[in-house]
Amino acid sequence: SQTIHQWPATLVQPVGSPLSLECTVEGTSNPNLYWYRQAAGRGLQLLFYSVGIGQISSEVPQNLSASRPQDRQFILSSKKLLLSDSGFYLCAWSLRREGGEAFFGQGTRLTVV
Amino acid sequence: DAKTTQPTSMDCAEGRAANLPCNHSTISGNEYVYWYRQIHSQGPQYIIHGLKNNETNEMASLIITEDRKSSTLILPHATLRDTAVYYCIVRVAIKTSYDKVIFGPGTSLSVIP
Repeated sequence: SQTIHQWPATLVQPVGSPLSLECTVEGTSNPNLYWYRQAAGRGLQLLFYSVGIGQISSEVPQNLSASRPQDRQFILSSKKLLLSDSGFYLCAWSLRREGGEAFFGQGTRLTVV
Repeated sequence: DAKTTQPTSMDCAEGRAANLPCNHSTISGNEYVYWYRQIHSQGPQYIIHGLKNNETNEMASLIITEDRKSSTLILPHATLRDTAVYYCIVRVAIKTSYDKVIFGPGTSLSVIP
């Protein structure tokens, strides 16, 4: 069966420090991959999605970047964190087939101090 | 932008059926209706999806109107653990297309003892 791993679960980082969040999917190949952010009390905002290795689409301009170095690995990064980068970050995957549902990781709660 | 509208919040008595409505009046012929829910501080959980016909699984039933412009998620016997934010999403999920899973603000369901 397919599983998605996202780590760490919680992270406290100072302003100006770098960020690297990693997400890996097991049990499938060639998935669509997504990064979402959820600010406190707000809805889910799609940040990036990827349909293949090295293929990244950004949904909103921001202080973050994403990379997909391997088929089932998706990385969210920042060179210098801002206070506004705090939030709940979620990785998700879906199969590229008709009716393919998306599955989410358990998320990383990032607090920038 | 999300292509669905949902009530902001709803209450339901424990043990009763919870009926969560969703309007998607601009849905296209090749778009599916998906439902997810998010329990506080967790990643969204897939519930059910459908195209035209009503669907039922172990978690819920999905009723889609004949014109496909609205749908209702039914939790037949709501429990306290069903308290969550419920998201209705429409998306094209075909093999050759980008598949951006866009969330709206959802409905916050409170199951009351």
